[in-house]
Amino acid sequence: AQSVTQLGSHVSVSEGALVLLRCNYSSSVPPYLFWYVQYPNQGLQLLLKYTTGATLVKGINGFEAEFKKSETSFHLTKPSAHMSDAAEYFCAVSSYNQGGKLIFGQGTELSVKP
Amino acid sequence: GAVVSQHPSRVICKSGTSVKIECRSLDFQATTMFWYRQFPKQSLMLMATSNEGSKATYEQGVEKDKFLINHASLTLSTLTVTSAHPEDSSFYICSARTGTSAYNEQFFGPGTRLTVL
Repeated sequence: AQSVTQLGSHVSVSEGALVLLRCNYSSSVPPYLFWYVQYPNQGLQLLLKYTTGATLVKGINGFEAEFKKSETSFHLTKPSAHMSDAAEYFCAVSSYNQGGKLIFGQGTELSVKP
Repeated sequence: GAVVSQHPSRVICKSGTSVKIECRSLDFQATTMFWYRQFPKQSLMLMATSNEGSKATYEQGVEKDKFLINHASLTLSTLTVTSAHPEDSSFYICSARTGTSAYNEQFFGPGTRLTVL
């Protein structure tokens, strides 16, 4: 079985500060890892994904994440937060034998202070 | 980019009635569509996986007779909540995927907020 744990249901940063959202996963097979963003009353938008290859993945809006197998982590970072980054962020895991099913973490709400 | 629409965006119904939610892939053909349910301030829970032309596969604990899913074409899937009750009130989100690989991106619809009175 696969699972995802996002540490911290709410993270608050100042505008211009580093954003770090934590995600740890559990998977018995090589995982596919995803980060999604959700704005209020909207669906999810893919920020980035890791399947194979380079472990540092760059996504949209200046976000990036690094797959660390030894730590079973896939933390999301952005060097400088913008007010528009305030949203809910979800980490998700899948694998080749899951038929494309995504298992989501609990979500982290990011607030950005002016 | 790939766009997925849902209709309606909001629906309010009386207890005991049925509600149909449509999910459409507007500019691509979706071999697989997924239906999720999201409670306030919580994560998305997969309800079922729908492949065009075949019966949906429901997750454990999801009542297939209550949540009827039809995937009649490569661009349309519907979720019908039958005999809705207040506890069915939730945010329902669909996603659509091209291809059959687990790493193919899922494109999400904007969601439908169902309120059952």
